[in-house]
Amino acid sequence: GENVEQHPSTLSVQEGDSAVIKCTYSDSASNYFPWYKQELGKGPQLIIDIRSNVGEKKDQRIAVTLNKTAKHFSLHITETQPEDSAVYFCAASPSGGSNYKLTFGKGTLLTVNP
Amino acid sequence: NAGVTQTPKFRILKIGQSMTLQCTQDMNHNYMYWYRQDPGMGLKLIYYSVGAGITDKGEVPNGYNVSRSTTEDFPLRLELAAPSQTSVYFCASSTGLAGFQETQYFGPGTRLLVL
Repeated sequence: GENVEQHPSTLSVQEGDSAVIKCTYSDSASNYFPWYKQELGKGPQLIIDIRSNVGEKKDQRIAVTLNKTAKHFSLHITETQPEDSAVYFCAASPSGGSNYKLTFGKGTLLTVNP
Repeated sequence: NAGVTQTPKFRILKIGQSMTLQCTQDMNHNYMYWYRQDPGMGLKLIYYSVGAGITDKGEVPNGYNVSRSTTEDFPLRLELAAPSQTSVYFCASSTGLAGFQETQYFGPGTRLLVL
């Protein structure tokens, strides 16, 4: 089955700096890659996603890049703010009959210091 | 609409007790899921359902049961609680429509402590 590795497990940055979280996946059939943000005591919330037919997607301060050849994708947050502090999860979903299943990485705790 | 709701928010169980975690969604989604989240381990899929009357096992189904009698509800049953089931449980749903079925929306979670 699919295996998703996520790095780093913790990341601390100063307010205004950029943050980058990287994930690799094992199943070359995966074609959907979402990123979730989880604030303390809450459920994960989708912040951005990308499909295999594009290499990059942006939404204001957040961007995701995908390299299908290398089987890795990354989340980029620019001009970080204290409210960006949370746990971020990447995930991958394969195509085909089970394309509704997500395999998650173990998460990255991002701390943005004022 | 409220999205995905879960009850209770927190529960303490004794070893061997049983309980049902409730999950309801009001988005008319076909697909529903149960995950457990352990510290540093991400989310693991317990069971999922692609429609009323249809359920299937995920990655870690042992010790759990589910049913899906309506589109809206997807309860998770623990029959004989064990300390290993101490975790945070999340319910999620997705549309099931082609091209969008993967986008999952999560509930706020149920924190379960088994002593």
